[in-house]
Amino acid sequence: GESVGLHLPTLSVQEGDNSIINCAYSNSASDYFIWYKQESGKGPQFIIDIRSNMDKRQGQRVTVLLNKTVKHLSLQIAATQPGDSAVYFCAENYGGSQGNLIFGKGTKLSVKP
Amino acid sequence: DGGITQSPKYLFRKEGQNVTLSCEQNLNHDAMYWYRQDPGQGLRLIYYSQIVNDFQKGDIAEGYSVSREKKESFPLTVTSAQKNPTAFYLCASSPEPRGGNTEAFFGQGTRLTVV
Repeated sequence: GESVGLHLPTLSVQEGDNSIINCAYSNSASDYFIWYKQESGKGPQFIIDIRSNMDKRQGQRVTVLLNKTVKHLSLQIAATQPGDSAVYFCAENYGGSQGNLIFGKGTKLSVKP
Repeated sequence: DGGITQSPKYLFRKEGQNVTLSCEQNLNHDAMYWYRQDPGQGLRLIYYSQIVNDFQKGDIAEGYSVSREKKESFPLTVTSAQKNPTAFYLCASSPEPRGGNTEAFFGQGTRLTVV
């Protein structure tokens, strides 16, 4: 989701539940997408990526779903753990003039023990 | 260990001073980037470099300068012209230049505070 001002969207889940974090991307020409995890005071870490010729990709405990029709990306985390608490960013690469990743504002995931 | 290193982790600057943030990578990556992150916001691109001795402005380059004299180094100078420099600065690198569909690897960031 989109953030307003200084407040990030927050998702609060119970430990052991599944989490779903959503992201709407901006450019229909984007062909590569990444999810990053950022813990407080640290740099973003790569979680999983997906190319536009796919609609689903699975990793260890994580799954990314891509719906190009509505320009929507989601990250599913199975059996969420306290260590999963962080801000999660999606990024899109449309290979534009800068050829770099365009980042969403992020969603804060809070896991309750 | 291979990686990307930013220093210092915390930096304090007086108004009117220039400061330089260091970013070094030993991943042999061609492309390097500087981003700025403000509370509750996504990453905004300041400058990027796809090859040694070449760099391009990003979305918010005003008040910043960079150099790319060596492949492994991409220092960022925050000048006195930057009106609101207090932020978290992130350096990143990627193995392929423009258009390559690869992830960016990030450093641990430098938190700059103007006092």
